Amino acid sequence: GENVEQHPSTLSVQEGDSAVIKCTYSDSASNYFPWYKQELGKRPQLIIDIRSNVGEKKDQRIAVTLNKTAKHFSLHITETQPEDSAVYFCAALSWGKLQFGAGTQVVVTP
Amino acid sequence: DAGITQSPRYKITETGRQVTLMCHQTWSHSYMFWYRQDLGHGLRLIYYSAAADITDKGEVPDGYVVSRSKTENFPLTLESATRSQTSVYFCASKDGPSGEQYFGPGTRLTVT
Repeated sequence: GENVEQHPSTLSVQEGDSAVIKCTYSDSASNYFPWYKQELGKRPQLIIDIRSNVGEKKDQRIAVTLNKTAKHFSLHITETQPEDSAVYFCAALSWGKLQFGAGTQVVVTP
Repeated sequence: DAGITQSPRYKITETGRQVTLMCHQTWSHSYMFWYRQDLGHGLRLIYYSAAADITDKGEVPDGYVVSRSKTENFPLTLESATRSQTSVYFCASKDGPSGEQYFGPGTRLTVT
């Protein structure tokens, strides 16, 4: 089955700096890669996704890149703000099911 | 997000008791999922369903039972609760195998 690894597990950044989270996956048939943000005590919320026919996708301050050859994808957050503090999960779709990474705790310090 | 709900939101039960967590979605999504979330383990899939009357095991199905007699409901039953089943349980749904997946608000279950 699919295996998704996510790094780093924790990330501390200064407000205004950029944050990058990286994920690798194992199933070359995976073709959909969403990212979720989970604030403390809340549900995971979809923030951006990318499909395998696209290399990069942007939505305001967040962007995701995909390298299918290397089987890795990344989340980039620019100009970080305190409200970006949360746990971020990457995922890869395989056989109709999402396999999630272990999560990255992002802390943005003012 | 109001389209997928879970009940109860909080539950305390005793070891050995049967408990059922409810999940209801109003989007007529074909796929529904149950995950548990524990510190250090991220989101782990318990069971999923691709359509009414079709269910399949996920990564950690032992001790759980599901059913899906109606498209909109996907209850999860702990037949005989154990302390190791203390967790936050999330239901999720999506429209089709590669659709966007949305999570319910979660149920915090404590087994004493």
